[in-house]
Amino acid sequence: AQSVTQPDIHITVSEGASLELRCNYSYGATPYLFWYVQSPGQGLQLLLKYFSGDTLVQGIKGFEAEFKRSQSSFNLRKPSVHWSDAAEYFCAVGGESFQKLVFGTGTRLLVSP
Amino acid sequence: DAGITQSPRYKITETGRQVTLMCHQTWSHSYMFWYRQDLGHGLRLIYYSAAADITDKGEVPDGYVVSRSKTENFPLTLESATRSQTSVYFCASSEAGGIYTDTQYFGPGTRLTVL
Repeated sequence: AQSVTQPDIHITVSEGASLELRCNYSYGATPYLFWYVQSPGQGLQLLLKYFSGDTLVQGIKGFEAEFKRSQSSFNLRKPSVHWSDAAEYFCAVGGESFQKLVFGTGTRLLVSP
Repeated sequence: DAGITQSPRYKITETGRQVTLMCHQTWSHSYMFWYRQDLGHGLRLIYYSAAADITDKGEVPDGYVVSRSKTENFPLTLESATRSQTSVYFCASSEAGGIYTDTQYFGPGTRLTVL
């Protein structure tokens, strides 16, 4: 069965600094990988997804993620963080039935002035 | 243009009571899902439905019942609420049709407290 690990519970980044959120997955076949963002009191919104092809995926709000099969990772990056990026970020992996996602426990991003 | 809505947004109930959480989507998506979100666990799938009258268990189905008589509605019922079911519940939907169309769209959530 597939699983996802987000090793960082909290991350604090200064506004304007770069960001990388880590995600490691476990799945025997080619995974379907997703990053979702949850703003306070809101539902989850899809940032980007990877199914196949180019391993560098561009998403909304200036985010990108890179699939590295050798490291079983799908880390999320942003070159310059804005205060509005403060939220909780979830990595998810799809498996045998791609409609069923397994989510990581999330990383809460705090942005300092 | 409502998308996916959940009601109520907040609910307080007592142990042993029956509670129903409603989910409605306006996109005619085939698939609908119920998740619960708990600290330290992220989101866990409770039940999902591939179409009207087709439902299946997810990771944590015990204590919950679902039905889907209409494509647009997917209610979740706690038959006899327990304190361990205190959580934030999210409904989601996605259209069927292939790997490039299975983005899940989430509702705003229902915060349920069981006393």
